[in-house]
Amino acid sequence: EVVLTQSPATLSLSPGERATLSCRASQPIGFYSAWYQQKPGRSPRLLIYDASNRATGIPPRFSGSGSGTDFTLTINNLEPEDSAVYFCQQRDIWPYTFGQGTKLEIK
Amino acid sequence: EVDLVESGGGLVPPGGSLRLSCAASGFPFSVYWMHWVREVKGKGMVWVARIGVDGSGISYADAVKGRFSISRDNTKNTLYLEMNSLRPEDTGVYYCAKASDHGVNWFDPWGRGTLVTVSS
Repeated sequence: EVVLTQSPATLSLSPGERATLSCRASQPIGFYSAWYQQKPGRSPRLLIYDASNRATGIPPRFSGSGSGTDFTLTINNLEPEDSAVYFCQQRDIWPYTFGQGTKLEIK
Repeated sequence: EVDLVESGGGLVPPGGSLRLSCAASGFPFSVYWMHWVREVKGKGMVWVARIGVDGSGISYADAVKGRFSISRDNTKNTLYLEMNSLRPEDTGVYYCAKASDHGVNWFDPWGRGTLVTVSS
């Protein structure tokens, strides 16, 4: 199965800064990656699909890029409400797999 | 508003069984693929199973194949997961998830989750 490795495990930034989160696949998955946000005690929410497309209602501060084995989620102009765990997912190769997550803390 | 509410979780001994339900509302349930995903502490999310709009297109993760059964009742807008021969490694929070409007194998939204604990 495809192993998705996310880095860093934890990221601590201040409001207004930019966050850059990485997801690396153990084999090429084309553009078939997605990013989710999970706030404490809440269920996950789809942010980005097909590597770079924002899901419905997601603000443009969130953007995704990459292809093949390397994917990036960028969050511009961080807000306190962006504190959450962010994890990636691939759907190119069955079974669908997820990264272990990056915890983003807003100082 | 789209809402997914899971139920049926609990504490069960190894070898036991549970049936999870997911009540859907706020969208035309019968036209969407549905999935079960579990959150395992320390490991993250693990996809469990999926089912097509009419009950076809069923597939399972290898870890649960032969023990779990996914089904749906479109007249009741409800998704099910029958879990048998449960093992401690099946412990986790089980989420049902609707296939996203952007692709059947992206998950959006997710339910609130139900906790399954397999322990003696």
